[in-house]
Amino acid sequence: GAVVSQHPSWVICKSGTSVKIECRSLDFQATTMFWYRQFPKQSLMLMATSNEGSKATYEQGVEKDKFLINHASLTLSTLTVTSAHPEDSSFYICSTPTGGFSYNEQFFGPGTRLTVL
Amino acid sequence: GNSVTQMEGPVTLSEEAFLTINCTYTATGYPSLFWYVQYPGEGLQLLLKATKADDKGSNKGFEATYRKETTSFHLEKGSVQVSDSAVYFCALRPKAAGNKLTFGGGTRVLVKP
Repeated sequence: GAVVSQHPSWVICKSGTSVKIECRSLDFQATTMFWYRQFPKQSLMLMATSNEGSKATYEQGVEKDKFLINHASLTLSTLTVTSAHPEDSSFYICSTPTGGFSYNEQFFGPGTRLTVL
Repeated sequence: GNSVTQMEGPVTLSEEAFLTINCTYTATGYPSLFWYVQYPGEGLQLLLKATKADDKGSNKGFEATYRKETTSFHLEKGSVQVSDSAVYFCALRPKAAGNKLTFGGGTRVLVKP
């Protein structure tokens, strides 16, 4: 099946710094990427939808100025957590549907664990 | 709104035991239903799906039946293996939601030899 990678797999940063998380589709073109965050023992919460070459669409309650999403190419979407604070510590996951497979199938990255001190 | 509720884990079983993970949902209309599995260190993978009432999804010995009357999609496997140790997520996708998924909280399953 299709492969989606994320980098880094984990990151620890100081409060106030910015962190960039990359999500790559390795063997197909990803026109759409979904970004989720997951708190311990909780569900995945959709944060935003990014489409290649256009602005991301954010879910209600998600600060677009804090979570900057860029989808400049068909194989790379990035999520930048700006001025991170301890409450931003979470597990961030990206996923993409692939047009060449079942419409209902999405492929997920392995996730990035962010810890803000 | 849409929501998915699944049993909390962890669920600890012995090899060859019967596994059931309950999942119920709330949604408008008739959503598509999914089970995803996440093995340690890997991304979520689609395990099985059902797109309409009474459909049964199956894969790798796992089964789940779309029950509209009880708004449920319980996951079952008759004889688990150690390799089935993972976190299982129930999810729904409303018909009009494009590819947006709503997930349950996940259930960690640990199978001991």
